[in-house]
Amino acid sequence: RKEVEQDPGPFNVPEGATVAFNCTYSNSASQSFFWYRQDCRKEPKLLMSVYSSGNEDGRFTAQLNRASQYISLLIRDSKLSDSATYLCVVNGQSSGSARQLTFGSGTQLTVLP
Amino acid sequence: NAGVTQTPKFRVLKTGQSMTLLCAQDMNHEYMYWYRQDPGMGLRLIHYSVGEGTTAKGEVPDGYNVSRLKKQNFLLGLESAAPSQTSVYFCASSYSSTADYEQYFGPGTRLTVT
Repeated sequence: RKEVEQDPGPFNVPEGATVAFNCTYSNSASQSFFWYRQDCRKEPKLLMSVYSSGNEDGRFTAQLNRASQYISLLIRDSKLSDSATYLCVVNGQSSGSARQLTFGSGTQLTVLP
Repeated sequence: NAGVTQTPKFRVLKTGQSMTLLCAQDMNHEYMYWYRQDPGMGLRLIHYSVGEGTTAKGEVPDGYNVSRLKKQNFLLGLESAAPSQTSVYFCASSYSSTADYEQYFGPGTRLTVT
C-alpha cells in the first residue's frame, strides 16, 4: 500500500463548478498535512496546510479526518487558472533530525470554459 | 530574490556518463532536498541536508551522491548514469525540518539517459 494515495483523475469540470479531491495516508503517526499545486512542467508550490480543525483560504477548503486517515480539498467556483495537478503531502517518518515529506502522485484537474 | 535555482534545466546523458546538478538558494535556509519525479509516482526523496557539511539518505539514494559545502548550494551527482535515472529532478529548501515550514522548489532539471 502506498503511504499516500490519491485518485489520479483526471477531473474535468466546467468553470464555476465545485470539485473535491480526497487523499488517504497510511502512517498514523503523521502530524502535518499539506496540499501542493503543480502546474504542467513546473515545480510544486504550497497551496495550503491542513489543520485538524479544517481551514479555508478563499475558494479552497481543506479538511482532515485523523480517525480515518483521510484528507480532502474542496475547490468552489472553479476558475480556468485552477487547472493543475494537486499533490497531497504528509510528513512521514522521522529520519535523524529531519522529518521527511511523503508526496502523493497527484490528482489532475482541468477546468473547462 | 531568486528563491531556488537549478542548473542545468535539461540534459541528455549516455549510459555510464557522469554529471552534477547544482541547486542554489538565497533564502538562508538550513534544509535542502533533492527529489526525483517520475510519471504516475509522487516525488521521491533522494538525499537531503540539514545544514552545511551534512547530508543524509532519503528514500531512493542508490546511484546518487550529494555534497553541501556551502549553505546556499546543494549538489547532486550521478557517477555512472543509467536509463533508470531518466527523470525530472527537483531541488527544494526549507527554513526548518518541522513540517509546518513550506518547502520551496526549484524549477527542475529534466534528465534523459540513453
